[in-house]
Amino acid sequence: EAGVAQSPRYKIIEKRQSVAFWCNPISGHATLYWYQQILGQGPKLLIQFQNNGVVDDSQLPKDRFSAERLKGVDSTLKIQPAKLEDSAVYLCASSLELSTDTQYFGPGTRLTVL
Amino acid sequence: AQSVSQHNHHVILSEAASLELGCNYSYGGTVNLFWYVQYPGQHLQLLLKYFSGDPLVKGIKGFEAEFIKSKFSFNLRKPSVQWSDTAEYFCAVTIGGFKTIFGAGTRLFVKA
Repeated sequence: EAGVAQSPRYKIIEKRQSVAFWCNPISGHATLYWYQQILGQGPKLLIQFQNNGVVDDSQLPKDRFSAERLKGVDSTLKIQPAKLEDSAVYLCASSLELSTDTQYFGPGTRLTVL
Repeated sequence: AQSVSQHNHHVILSEAASLELGCNYSYGGTVNLFWYVQYPGQHLQLLLKYFSGDPLVKGIKGFEAEFIKSKFSFNLRKPSVQWSDTAEYFCAVTIGGFKTIFGAGTRLFVKA
């Protein structure tokens, strides 16, 4: 079974630039999550989708971050404009149903904002 | 605000030593509890989980965890660690049936 795919694996940008990350969950998984993991901290949930609807985006900085999952399969997370404090690993995960299920994580995208 | 606390950020043990990693959460309602592990160079993966029933749960590679509701705790244990257990361990709690909160993680280094 293929795992959660993410791209790119690494990205370096300057502050005020924009960046986008892509995630393809495990086939058949209805729930998709985006997490931000700052160095030395645990993953922080940014947004959670159930199929193509948003379940929780309470910790998403909506003035600069956006995410979509238009067809209920793959998803894109965008940051515009980026700030220095956005430097982190962005993790995508998926689960069969709600987050009471095991979450399967992708390799993450390491973002550095200069 | 709901939170998950992991008491030790770094733990160093010799092989065959016993391990216990603490995890406490702050939420008064129903929770689902997880321990995830990230081995060097690998993705986060599930170690074990608790939903209901027997509060002592067993996971992969000889790990177990005990849910003590009165203490809001879900500590991870292993009787005898191996060098291959070197990894970062994250406690996670799902509240309200959908929102997952992770602890800050504990880096375990096992000396051969």
